[in-house]
Amino acid sequence: QKEVEQNSGPLSVPEGAIASLNCTYSDRGSQSFFWYRQYSGKSPELIMFIYSNGDKEDGRFTAQLNKASQYVSLLIRDSQPSDSATYLCAVGLNTGFQKLVFGTGTRLLVSP
Amino acid sequence: GEEVAQTPKHLVRGEGQKAKLYCAPIKGHSYVFWYQQVLKNEFKFLISFQNENVFDETGMPKERFSAKCLPNSPCSLEIQATKLEDSAVYFCASSHPTGSSYNEQFFGPGTRLTVL
Repeated sequence: QKEVEQNSGPLSVPEGAIASLNCTYSDRGSQSFFWYRQYSGKSPELIMFIYSNGDKEDGRFTAQLNKASQYVSLLIRDSQPSDSATYLCAVGLNTGFQKLVFGTGTRLLVSP
Repeated sequence: GEEVAQTPKHLVRGEGQKAKLYCAPIKGHSYVFWYQQVLKNEFKFLISFQNENVFDETGMPKERFSAKCLPNSPCSLEIQATKLEDSAVYFCASSHPTGSSYNEQFFGPGTRLTVL
C-alpha cells in the first residue's frame, strides 16, 4: 500500500464546474497536509495547506481534511482552463520541519 | 532572494561521471530539502538540512550521493559515478520557522539530470 494515494486521472471537467480531487494516506500519525499544483515541466507550486479537521477555504480553493478517515480533498470552484495541471497531495508525518511524502498526483483537464 | 534558485537547469552526464547540482534557498529560510522526481510524478525525499546541519538523510543512497549546505554558499547535491536510473528532475525546496509548528515548503525550478 502506498503511503499517499491519489487517482491518476485525468479528471475532466467543463469550465465553470467544481473539480474535486481526493487523496488518502496510510500513516495515522500524519499531521500536515499540502496541495501542490504542477504544470508540465515546471516545479510544484503550493496552493493550499491544512492541519486541522474540517474545511479551509482560500479563494476558489477549499481543502477538506478528515483524519479519522485518513482522507484529504481539494475542491476547485469555477474551474478555469488555466487550472489544468497535475495536483499533488503531500503529507507531513509529524509537526516540525519534516520531509513530505507525495502522492503521484491527479491530472486535471478543464475544457473551455 | 524571494525564490529558490537551482542551477544548472539541465545536466547531461555519461554513465559513471560525476554530477553536481546547486540550490540557493529563499533568503531567511533555514531548512533545505532535496527531492528526486522520476517518471509518473514519483517524488522521493533524499535529504534535508537545518542551516548547515544534516536534519534527515533517510532517503539518501549514501554510496554515491552526498550533499552539503555550507555558510554563505549554495547548497549542493553531488552524485558520484552516475547511473542510468539517476536520470530524474532534482528539486530543492526551502522552508522557514513562522511560529507555527508546521512547514510549508517552497520549491525551486529543478535540475533535469540525464544520464546517458
